[in-house]
Amino acid sequence: EAGVAQSPRYKIIEKRQSVAFWCNPISGHATLYWYQQILGQGPKLLIQFQNNGVVDDSQLPKDRFSAERLKGVDSTLKIQPAKLEDSAVYLCASSGRGWSEAFFGQGTRLTVV
Amino acid sequence: AQSVTQLDSHVSVSEGTPVLLRCNYSSSYSPSLFWYVQHPNKGLQLLLKYTSAATLVKGINGFEAEFKKSETSFHLTKPSAHMSDAAEYFCVVPFPSGSARQLTFGSGTQLTVLP
Repeated sequence: EAGVAQSPRYKIIEKRQSVAFWCNPISGHATLYWYQQILGQGPKLLIQFQNNGVVDDSQLPKDRFSAERLKGVDSTLKIQPAKLEDSAVYLCASSGRGWSEAFFGQGTRLTVV
Repeated sequence: AQSVTQLDSHVSVSEGTPVLLRCNYSSSYSPSLFWYVQHPNKGLQLLLKYTSAATLVKGINGFEAEFKKSETSFHLTKPSAHMSDAAEYFCVVPFPSGSARQLTFGSGTQLTVLP
């Protein structure tokens, strides 16, 4: 079974620029998560989708971050404009039905300079 | 609010000695509990999972965890540490959130293995 795919793996941008990350979850997984992991900290949930609907986006900075899940499959996370404090690893994960575990992608390491 | 507490932010052991990483969670209905491991510059990998079948769960690389409902604990153990076990470990609990489940992470425990 293919895992969760994320791209790009690394991205360096200047502050105030925009950036987008892409995630392809495991086939058939209804739930998709985006997490932000700042160096030395645990992952923080940014947004959770159930199929193509948003379940939780309470910690998403909506003035600069946006996310969508196309047709309940792939997802993109966008930051516009980026700030220095957005430097982090952005992790995408997906899970199947019930109380099953989440599978994580390799993450995208964003550096804002 | 639901919470997951990892009692030690850093644990240091010598190679060949036992490992104990502690995790407690707030009391609420959750039939699943997970431990994930993250090696430097790598994604999160599932180490083991509890799914109500047995209270003692075996995972990969010789790790085990015991679910104790009365103590709301899910501590991770390994009889003999290996250098390759050095990594960050996260206890994760899916709590109900409306019709969905929200994964709640502990703050993580950094395991150092000394030669």
